[in-house]
Amino acid sequence: QQKVQQSPESLSVPEGGMASLNCTSSDRNFQYFWWYRQHSGEGPKALMSIFSDGDKKEGRFTAHLNKASLHVSLHIRDSQPSDSALYFCAARSSHNYAQGLTFGLGTRVSVFP
Amino acid sequence: GPKVLQIPSHQIIDMGQMVTLNCDPVSNHLYFYWYKQILGQQMEFLVNFYNGKVMEKSKLFKDQFSVERPDGSYFTLKIQPTALEDSAVYFCASSSGTGGREQYFGPGTRLTVL
Repeated sequence: QQKVQQSPESLSVPEGGMASLNCTSSDRNFQYFWWYRQHSGEGPKALMSIFSDGDKKEGRFTAHLNKASLHVSLHIRDSQPSDSALYFCAARSSHNYAQGLTFGLGTRVSVFP
Repeated sequence: GPKVLQIPSHQIIDMGQMVTLNCDPVSNHLYFYWYKQILGQQMEFLVNFYNGKVMEKSKLFKDQFSVERPDGSYFTLKIQPTALEDSAVYFCASSSGTGGREQYFGPGTRLTVL
């Protein structure tokens, strides 16, 4: 079983609409979560991090973390064509010796006019 | 923003040969990473390198793999000998610290082993 699971696999959103992405972890050692975005031909780029329960808002992007259920979500409001990309949820353990990120399979977001 | 560069962008090599993938991390970063992504699968952590040493490695980091960063030059991943299952995109990343510090990723090197 993958330790970080994302849903849906793909998502089509009208321009100006809201996109909602979900991520669930199966490892209670994960304490740090990121959302990364990857455009075709590029490396992943961090959109935002979230480490505490609750919401975190950065511009049009809002992340939500519930540590009890190990669930993280990302909401993109007023979606733009440039938001079309592959979105990854990534998690890291709280252990100091464990620095590698564990990624989900990703959600492909397509914003159509 | 900070950029990680990777050279080459694409490498084609015959099975059994040696290959070296090069990474130019963000200039003031101290922690370096390699990840592997096979087409259609998730990106997976290979190794973390700090202060001249491997700090952490996954089960994917086979004995044929090695990493180094001699004298602050490129951070390299060497595979010797290569196998067909090594075909993947390899991403380098760097960070200024641990814990909640962001890892910055390069654009990847697509390795094709024939």
